Amino acid sequence: AQKITQTQPGMFVQEKEAVTLDCTYDTSDPSYGLFWYKQPSSGEMIFLIYQGSYDQQNATEGRYSLNFQKARKSANLVISASQLGDSAMYFCAMREYQAAGNKLTFGGGTRVLVKP
Amino acid sequence: EAGVTQFPSHSVIEKGQTVTLRCDPISGHDNLYWYRRVMGKEIKFLLHFVKESKQDESGMPNNRFLAERTGGTYSTLKVQPAELEDSGVYFCASSQDLGGQETQYFGPGTRLLVL
Repeated sequence: AQKITQTQPGMFVQEKEAVTLDCTYDTSDPSYGLFWYKQPSSGEMIFLIYQGSYDQQNATEGRYSLNFQKARKSANLVISASQLGDSAMYFCAMREYQAAGNKLTFGGGTRVLVKP
Repeated sequence: EAGVTQFPSHSVIEKGQTVTLRCDPISGHDNLYWYRRVMGKEIKFLLHFVKESKQDESGMPNNRFLAERTGGTYSTLKVQPAELEDSGVYFCASSQDLGGQETQYFGPGTRLLVL
């Protein structure tokens, strides 16, 4: 079974609009963390935002926010006021603290293209 | 502060040859990871070093892959002999051991093509 599922392989978004990237996860570990990374065309993976399973509030980092719905096992990334530089691949990843040590498990990614 | 660096950025080799990939982590980061993404698949964990010791190598696909981290600084990943299915992007990441929110910082990857 997939541990991390990103159902949107690709999407377009109009500049200055908000976009939501879906991520659902599957774990029985009570303690886990969820990460989002951005990979622009240059190839590097850039850390965006983190949400811990015990965090009471949704994580926010500038224009990035995480819509964490624990009961639904979803951790959607919301990018507000999209910019042309947001065009990239976006990966959702999970760390299961008890079951899997330090390694990250990744989803398949979502490619976002911001239109001017 | 310099980020994670990887060398080479690209490598094209023939089946049966040997390739060695290098990763320099962020200075002071004890944790070093290798991941790879083969065509059309998810990014997969290969192994994890804590300083010079292998903490977890459960993701290493077979014994053609050898990772080292002598002295606990940079790491190398050798593939010998390379096979066609080894083609993909090999990422290195590093982190400090901060407990709960341990953020792994990734390098730009090495794109390996085995012909």
